[in-house]
Amino acid sequence: EAGVVQSPRYKIIEKKQPVAFWCNPISGHNTLYWYLQNLGQGPELLIRYENEEAVDDSQLPKDRFSAERLKGVDSTLKIQPAELGDSAVYLCASSLDGREQYFGPGTRLTVT
Amino acid sequence: GENVEQHPSTLSVQEGDSAVIKCTYSDSASNYFPWYKQELGKGPQLIIDIRSNVGEKKDQRIAVTLNKTAKHFSLHITETQPEDSAVYFCAASLGSSASKIIFGSGTRLSIRP
Repeated sequence: EAGVVQSPRYKIIEKKQPVAFWCNPISGHNTLYWYLQNLGQGPELLIRYENEEAVDDSQLPKDRFSAERLKGVDSTLKIQPAELGDSAVYLCASSLDGREQYFGPGTRLTVT
Repeated sequence: GENVEQHPSTLSVQEGDSAVIKCTYSDSASNYFPWYKQELGKGPQLIIDIRSNVGEKKDQRIAVTLNKTAKHFSLHITETQPEDSAVYFCAASLGSSASKIIFGSGTRLSIRP
């Protein structure tokens, strides 16, 4: 069974530029999560989807971050415009009916 | 807000010895406690989890214990091997649902040959 797929794996952009990350969850998993992981810290939830619906986005900085999960499968997380402080690893995870969460490899973002 | 504290932040043990990582949580309604292993350049990998109706769970060389009264839970790795070197994260659910978990700050485990 294929795991959670994320792309790109690495991204370097200049500040004020836009960037987008893509996630394909484990087949059949209805819950999808986006996490932010700063260096030396644990993941922090940005947004959680149940199928197409964002049920928890309280930690998503909505002035510059947006996300979508069309058709309840793949998801895209966007930052526009990016700031230096956005440099981090962006992790996607999925689960079935709110059970164990399985993580993808992450996208390492560097903003210069 | 609710939080999870993890100790130690770094741990170095001799190959073959045991390693213990401890966590405390603040939400008395938490009832799901997963542990993740993260290797360099990879995402966190679920290695074991425990629910509050169980005090201990074991899977080969790893075990987790839970003390709900004290709000403590621990990861035990026995007969450590070089491939156990990684960062380990504990986590606790917010309330009873496994769909919202808070992570500890991680423990970097190094196995000395």
